[in-house]
Amino acid sequence: EVQLVESGGGLVKPGGSLRLSCGASGFSFSNAWMSWVRQAPGKGLEWVGRIWSKSDGGIADYAAPVKGTFTISRDDSKNTLYLQMNSLKIEDTAVYYCTTYLNGYSEYWGQGTLVTVSP
Amino acid sequence: QSALTQPPSASGSPGQSVTISCTGTSSDIGFYNYVSWYQQHPGKAPKLIIYEVTKRPSGVPDRFSGSKSGNTASLTVSGLQAEDEADYHCSSYAGRKIIFGGGTKLTVL
Repeated sequence: EVQLVESGGGLVKPGGSLRLSCGASGFSFSNAWMSWVRQAPGKGLEWVGRIWSKSDGGIADYAAPVKGTFTISRDDSKNTLYLQMNSLKIEDTAVYYCTTYLNGYSEYWGQGTLVTVSP
Repeated sequence: QSALTQPPSASGSPGQSVTISCTGTSSDIGFYNYVSWYQQHPGKAPKLIIYEVTKRPSGVPDRFSGSKSGNTASLTVSGLQAEDEADYHCSSYAGRKIIFGGGTKLTVL
């Protein structure tokens, strides 16, 4: 059974940093492309970014609003995906989901972790 | 790039069919056959119900179907059931990025 478990969310002040983790099991993590999707309270889904498998180059792409401040990385030895978030803004407040990624869709989703950016 | 356009709400009675539209541009929906749909119940994570425009993951009832014409994709839910009441989100690949719609709240009357 595929499982994705996010952790690391919490309350942070504007301008602060936070690192989210996503532990994966039940599939070949090292061969998987992975992504982060967020959802602000009461709003729709917003794609944050995606990272290729290392065998495909390990390249990460980002949505315009987070490019330059968020970094996606992976540790295949730990079956873990990361999202490093710097210079956080109030509008980054959201539930952050870790997902598998293939051909533009996210088949498996974690339960999400809430990030609240507030003074 | 702007979000895809979905109607904020849709509704239907049990047993009826309802179609939800998702409008993009010639740079996303109109160019790629990588449209997907997600169902989300309150407080839950989204669930993939349609991918690559028309395909259903294993376990998704065939009451859910997807299509595309030009820059607009559509999700049809046939034989509406009470448990279909949820938010539905569309998305499209747009060249090394993904764009989502604003979501549609489906109410089963």
